[in-house]
Amino acid sequence: GAGVSQSPSNKVTEKGKDVELRCDPISGHTALYWYRQSLGQGLEFLIYFQGNSAPDKSGLPSDRFSAERTGGSVSTLTIQRTQQEDSAVYLCASSLDGGQRGYTFGSGTRLTVV
Amino acid sequence: GENVEQHPSTLSVQEGDSAVIKCTYSDSASNYFPWYKQELGKRPQLIIDIRSNVGEKKDQRIAVTLNKTAKHFSLHITETQPEDSAVYFCAASASGANNLFFGTGTRLTVIP
Repeated sequence: GAGVSQSPSNKVTEKGKDVELRCDPISGHTALYWYRQSLGQGLEFLIYFQGNSAPDKSGLPSDRFSAERTGGSVSTLTIQRTQQEDSAVYLCASSLDGGQRGYTFGSGTRLTVV
Repeated sequence: GENVEQHPSTLSVQEGDSAVIKCTYSDSASNYFPWYKQELGKRPQLIIDIRSNVGEKKDQRIAVTLNKTAKHFSLHITETQPEDSAVYFCAASASGANNLFFGTGTRLTVIP
C-alpha cells in the first residue's frame, strides 16, 4: 500500500479483556516494528520483525504482550488481560531494509483501558 | 547496545529565531542518524537524515550536523515558524543493525 495502515485507530476496552491491534506495512518492506507511546512520552520499543528471522521481543513489557507477523506482511499485536497502564498509542512502523533506511510510521492505535 | 541521549526536553523560541536540538550516541559503530518530527496527535515523520560519511546536510530551513569524534549530532532549524512546533526525535543505527535507537524527544514550541 501507499503507507503503513493500522487498525483500529481507536480502541476502548474494559480492564481484563484481550485486544488485537493490526498493522499492514508498506508492500515490500521487510522490517516491521511496534512501539508504544504513552501520553507526552517518547517511543518505547516493543518488538521487531525482520524478514524470516526470529523476532526481537526484547522490548515487550510482560508476557501479556505478544505479536505475530504472518507471511512476512501483516502483523498483529495482542495484549491479554489488559490493564489501565496499557493505555497508550501503539505505533507500527516498517522499513525497506532495517534501521539503515529510516522508518515509515503508521498513524497508530489509541488504546484506552477503562 | 546503543544509547541515545537528547537535549533539551523542551524548547521555546520566538518565531523567526533559530532552534537547536542536540543528541549524543554511545556506539561508535552507528553510522545513520535520522530525525523525526511528530506533530500533536500525528505520526512521527522522517524530516532529514545523515550518514557518517558526511558532516552536514541541509534541506531548506533544516540542517543536521554530525561530529563522529564526539559522537554528537544536532538538528538546526532556522527562521522558525509556528508550524515547526512539534516533538522532534533523533535516532541512531549501526551498519547491519535492524533497528533504530531513539532519543527521548524534544518538544519545540515556536511562539508567534
